Amino acid sequence: QSVLTQAPSVSAAPGQKVTVSCSGSSSNIGDNYVSWYQQLPGTVPKVLIYDNNKRPSGIPDRFSGSKSGTSVTLGITGLQTGDEADYYCGTWDTSLRAFVFGTGTKVTVL
Amino acid sequence: QVQLVESGGGVAQPGRSLRLSCAASGFTFSSYGMHWVRQAPGKGLEWVAVISYEGAIKFSADSVRGRFTISRDNSKNSLYLEINSLRTEDMAIYYCAKDYSNGYPPSFYFDSWGQGTQVTVSS
Repeated sequence: QSVLTQAPSVSAAPGQKVTVSCSGSSSNIGDNYVSWYQQLPGTVPKVLIYDNNKRPSGIPDRFSGSKSGTSVTLGITGLQTGDEADYYCGTWDTSLRAFVFGTGTKVTVL
Repeated sequence: QVQLVESGGGVAQPGRSLRLSCAASGFTFSSYGMHWVRQAPGKGLEWVAVISYEGAIKFSADSVRGRFTISRDNSKNSLYLEINSLRTEDMAIYYCAKDYSNGYPPSFYFDSWGQGTQVTVSS
């Protein structure tokens, strides 16, 4: 069982905003940078956000990241059918001396 | 462009060993930390291990520590994962991934991924 907890699923209509939350502790999210990964069905994961809130080149600004204490949030605005995917947070855990992924959240576009 | 190609997966019996490889191209392999990440069928992502750019520093997940060994050969632009004492719970797609930062410490942000190699554990 992961030390980073995510809701199993979230959904919203096209064009709406959805948020994906990831909760951890002081030894992981509270102490380190977080990245977010999108895994479209049948494909390899792709980074969306790094260092809590930075977007790699090519990632649209519809995707955003924020951090507060021991939790982080991924926001997706202007939801599109192509955004249907599994989303994972991830960070280093200082106590475990290991990188940990969140449990993953499936985003469904209604 | 960055290319990572895994190989070495297949069907193996519980208790046996496997060696996975990842051939890298399109970047200065010897300058970047590298990771292995796995995904069991229908499950989430699980980080397995990291090795620093020169191979001196390694960390691994508690679930594989003592059974899995990560290594690299910078002269061959290759990353490896030695899996010993295979268990059914090791059945997964194994991805190699490039760390974003060159040098040390790694950023633990994976900016490129291979297509993965499937490991099936069955008697």
